[in-house]
Amino acid sequence: SAVISQKPSRDICQRGTSLTIQCQVDSQVTMMFWYRQQPGQSLTLIATANQGSEATYESGFVIDKFPISRPNLTFSTLTVSNMSPEDSSIYLCSAFVSGTVTYEQYFGPGTRLTVT
Amino acid sequence: AQSVTQLGSHVSVSEGALVLLRCNYSSSVPPYLFWYVQYPNQGLQLLLKYTSAATLVKGINGFEAEFKKSETSFHLTKPSAHMSDAAEYFCAVSQNTGNQFYFGTGTSLTVIP
Repeated sequence: SAVISQKPSRDICQRGTSLTIQCQVDSQVTMMFWYRQQPGQSLTLIATANQGSEATYESGFVIDKFPISRPNLTFSTLTVSNMSPEDSSIYLCSAFVSGTVTYEQYFGPGTRLTVT
Repeated sequence: AQSVTQLGSHVSVSEGALVLLRCNYSSSVPPYLFWYVQYPNQGLQLLLKYTSAATLVKGINGFEAEFKKSETSFHLTKPSAHMSDAAEYFCAVSQNTGNQFYFGTGTSLTVIP
C-alpha cells in the first residue's frame, strides 16, 4: 500500500493567479497521476507523471495550463495556471503501487480549489 | 477499449437494508476491476479488487462484489447498510498491465435512518 499526502488541502484563489499543489508518497513509485473531480462528477485524468520523463497529458489538458513536475520517485507537483472560476474543482494525485497480481492505485485526500 | 457504466447515480437504502450498487464493464481483455469509496471531503479509498482469482471478492467494511463474466458485471453489495456507509462509490477497470484506470461516473449512496 501507499500513503499519499497533498498540500494544500484547500484554497481560495483569485482569478488570473496560479496555485501549485504538492503530492508526497511515503514510498518510491514509478507512476503518478493527477486527476480533476468537478462537483458531482467522476474523476477526469489530467496527466501521467513518470519520473525522468515529461508528463503525458490527456486530451483537453495542456502543459501551459497544468505544468507538472516529477523531480523524484516520491514527489510531484501540479500547477493550475492563470486560474478562472471554471478551474474550481478537487484535484487528486494518485500513485500506482505494485500489488500481488497487478498494480493498485492509491489516492491522496485531494485539494479543494475555489477560484473567485 | 475499456469502460465502466454505473447504473444509478443515486441510491437510497434504509439502515439495515441490503446495499446493491451496479457496475458493468466493457473490456477487450480480461479486466481487473476495483471499487473505491469517497467519503465527504476525502480522497478515494480502495474497497476491494478483482484480479482474476476468486470471483467473489470481499473487501473492507463488510462489502463484497462478484465478478460475472457472462454478464460483464461487478456489482457491489453489503447485506446490512450502516449510516457510516453514506458516501460516493466508484467502480473502475484496468487492463491486466495496469497502465490505465477507467472510472465510472459514481453512485452516491444515502442511508436513511
